[in-house]
This record gives sequence, C-alpha cells and structure tokens, in this order.
Amino acid sequence: KQEVTQIPAALSVPEGENLVLNCSFTDSAIYNLQWFRQDPGKGLTSLLLIQSSQREQTSGRLNASLDKSSGRSTLYIAASQPGDSATYLCAVKAAGNKLTFGGGTRVLVKP
Amino acid sequence: DGGITQSPKYLFRKEGQNVTLSCEQNLNHDAMYWYRQDPGQGLRLIYYSQIVNDFQKGDIAEGYSVSREKKESFPLTVTSAQKNPTAFYLCASSPRAGVPLNTEAFFGQGTRLTVV
Repeated sequence: KQEVTQIPAALSVPEGENLVLNCSFTDSAIYNLQWFRQDPGKGLTSLLLIQSSQREQTSGRLNASLDKSSGRSTLYIAASQPGDSATYLCAVKAAGNKLTFGGGTRVLVKP
Repeated sequence: DGGITQSPKYLFRKEGQNVTLSCEQNLNHDAMYWYRQDPGQGLRLIYYSQIVNDFQKGDIAEGYSVSREKKESFPLTVTSAQKNPTAFYLCASSPRAGVPLNTEAFFGQGTRLTVV
C-alpha cells in the first residue's frame, strides 16, 4: 500500500526566506507527483505536476524536484511572501489511477 | 469555463439520515475521486472511479456509497452507517494515467457536512 509522508507538519519562516517542503512515498511505481496548495476552508489548487520520467518542474518562484528511486520530492518556494501562507500537499498517482495524499505541511510566512 | 463543481457548499444532516453530495465536471476526465478531510489532517480517499460504471473503494469506504452512471457526475452518499460523518468532503477529477499529456488532477471547492 502506497504511503505518502510530509515533514515537517508545520513550518514558520520570516518573509523573504526560502521555503523547503519535503514529500516522501513508499512505492516508487508512480505515474506522477503533484503539489497542491490549500487555503483554509477551500479546495485544492494545483501548483506543479511532475511526470515520473521528469526530474523537476518550475513555475515562477516554485521549483519541485523528483527522485523516484529514493521516493522523494521537494518543493522549493523562493523569497517567501506572507501570501504564501497556506497548507501544501503532495499527492502521487499510481496503478489504477489511485491518487494518494500526504498529510500536508502548514506554512506561515511572517511579515 | 471548464471545471469541477461541488454542491452544496454547506450541508447539515440529522443523525440517521442519508445525504448525497454532488460532484460534476466538464473537463472530459475519465477518473474521479472523493476524499474526506478532517481538521488539521490530510486527505483520505473514500472512493474513486476510473471510468463510467466502474468504481473502487478507497481507504475509508465504510458508510459511504457512490455511483458513476455518467462521465460527468460522481455523487457520494453518506449513509447512516457512517458514524462520524462531520468533515470536509472534496471531489477531484483527472485524465486516466497513460494519457501522454496533462494528467493533472483538479479539485472542487468542497462540501462541509455537519451532523446536527
């Protein structure tokens, strides 16, 4: 059974500092990995999708890496802003199109 | 606009009642999913469907039922057998894996169910 873990569960940084969020998964037989952002009481917004054949994806200040063999992905957010405060979740898609989520990392960026 | 719509946004249920949450998508996606989220927790998979007239149990299917009669729709029924149904419910859709491009999953805005 695929298990996805996100550490730390919560993170607080001063504005301007770079954020590093970690995601690990137990079964490397995945189709893709996706990072999401969730604001309180809202649905999920997709940030980046990395296919299993890719090593990284970039969008603006966001960069996500994938090391499938070791079962790890890292989301980097450069020059954090208070508006980046949210919960960040990673999810892996595997056999049967099953999409499995980690527990999320709650981020607070202090002005 | 293409997207995924959940309704209602808020739902109140009396104990012993069944309630149905709606999820509709116009993205032409084959796969659809239902998740439950409890306060401060991640998402747990209830049911998912890869194609019309087919669905599989997720990790916490007990007390829930689904149907997939149309590609666009994947309603979730929370039955009276679900002992702790108060939670935030999220629906998602995606193309089936194996489609070469754009296998991104998209989410609705959620339904908050409260038992009164």
